[in-house]
Amino acid sequence: DTAVSQTPKYLVTQMGNDKSIKCEQNLGHDTMYWYKQDSKKFLKIMFSYNNKELIINETVPNRFSPKSPDKAHLNLHINSLELGDSAVYFCASSHLSGVYGYTFGSGTRLTVV
Amino acid sequence: TQLLEQSPQFLSIQEGENLTVYCNSSSVFSSLQWYRQEPGEGPVLLVTVVTGGEVKKLKRLTFQFGDARKDSSLHITAAQPGDTGLYLCAGYNQGGKLIFGQGTELSVKP
Repeated sequence: DTAVSQTPKYLVTQMGNDKSIKCEQNLGHDTMYWYKQDSKKFLKIMFSYNNKELIINETVPNRFSPKSPDKAHLNLHINSLELGDSAVYFCASSHLSGVYGYTFGSGTRLTVV
Repeated sequence: TQLLEQSPQFLSIQEGENLTVYCNSSSVFSSLQWYRQEPGEGPVLLVTVVTGGEVKKLKRLTFQFGDARKDSSLHITAAQPGDTGLYLCAGYNQGGKLIFGQGTELSVKP
């Protein structure tokens, strides 16, 4: 299946832990993104990579570090997790700039306890 | 900060009714994209409008981009329970970012 796939689907962890979310796309897209969806369903861009190069870095705490080993993969590592990090994180990809649309993964629900 | 105001936030209607969702901004967008999101899933792209005044139809859904490329609307004719979901508008700005509206939770009751 052609898609954006992210793992894990659910992640429950304690405050202070470090965790990673992985994302892979087999659509041949050039650009990948991380979005955060809060409890009110609002989606906010966090990061964007084009061909392994960081092009958008929103005002996200530096505990969040994206890594793109190649243009098909974009992982998100989070250090020292806090309660406020609880949210659904979506990976997405697009062809070139994304002006014509993005393809989203099915999300990772992160719960920090 | 660039904002997309989406309204209404919640809409509960009976099967067969028509509805319109609005997406407004004071900023110009290169494109306006509409997504639908179901529980536990990611947003799925429905349509992208690029040209001011453009109208696109997808079965019972009609999407319009404002002449000035600052606003858009989604009209659903004869809504069905299968239309239930979260509808999101998103504007692609000239800085290369996709900015989302707050979303409209639509519930269509049989």
